[in-house]
Amino acid sequence: KAGVTQTPRYLIKTRGQQVTLSCSPISGHRSVSWYQQTPGQGLQFLFEYFSETQRNKGNFPGRFSGRQFSNSRSEMNVSTLELGDSALYLCASSSFGTGPYEQYFGPGTRLTVT
Amino acid sequence: TQLLEQSPQFLSIQEGENLTVYCNSSSVFSSLQWYRQEPGEGPVLLVTVVTGGEVKKLKRLTFQFGDARKDSSLHITAAQPGDTGLYLCAGAWDYGGSQGNLIFGKGTKLSVKP
Repeated sequence: KAGVTQTPRYLIKTRGQQVTLSCSPISGHRSVSWYQQTPGQGLQFLFEYFSETQRNKGNFPGRFSGRQFSNSRSEMNVSTLELGDSALYLCASSSFGTGPYEQYFGPGTRLTVT
Repeated sequence: TQLLEQSPQFLSIQEGENLTVYCNSSSVFSSLQWYRQEPGEGPVLLVTVVTGGEVKKLKRLTFQFGDARKDSSLHITAAQPGDTGLYLCAGAWDYGGSQGNLIFGKGTKLSVKP
């Protein structure tokens, strides 16, 4: 079974621009979560989508948004980029069944804002 | 407030040494996961523990869930350079639930020198 894929792997943008990141979950997984990871803050939860609906949202400004498509693929968008948005953005997928809640991560997108 | 504390934050040891990483909380979790992350990559799920007092082994790695399900430890025997990475623990409050009930520690950065 293929793992979680994220594109692009690396991105360099300028302050004020916007960016869209893409995530394809493991086949059969309907939940996709997004995280921002920085050396100082660790993994911070952005939002979670399940069946095209946002189920949970972290404490991030409205510049960060996301969506999920009917095939469970997800995108996140960051508008008006700031230097502090430079981070590794991770996507994780989960399935819901009888087992404990587990997340499977993609390789991440390294975003650098200059 | 960090709800899941990991210690130590950094650990640098020689090949062949043993080590233990701790994950502590005042909250009770329905399950707890351990991940390992290498630089520039996403976290990889190592193990999930569910039952209080549960012990799971993965080759030289031993994971234990506290009796009260508030803490966990990861013990590595005879560490090797390939064990180098960031070890993250994540606690879930809701068995089989959603990401909204999953919390990550800030991680322990392990370096094993040959």
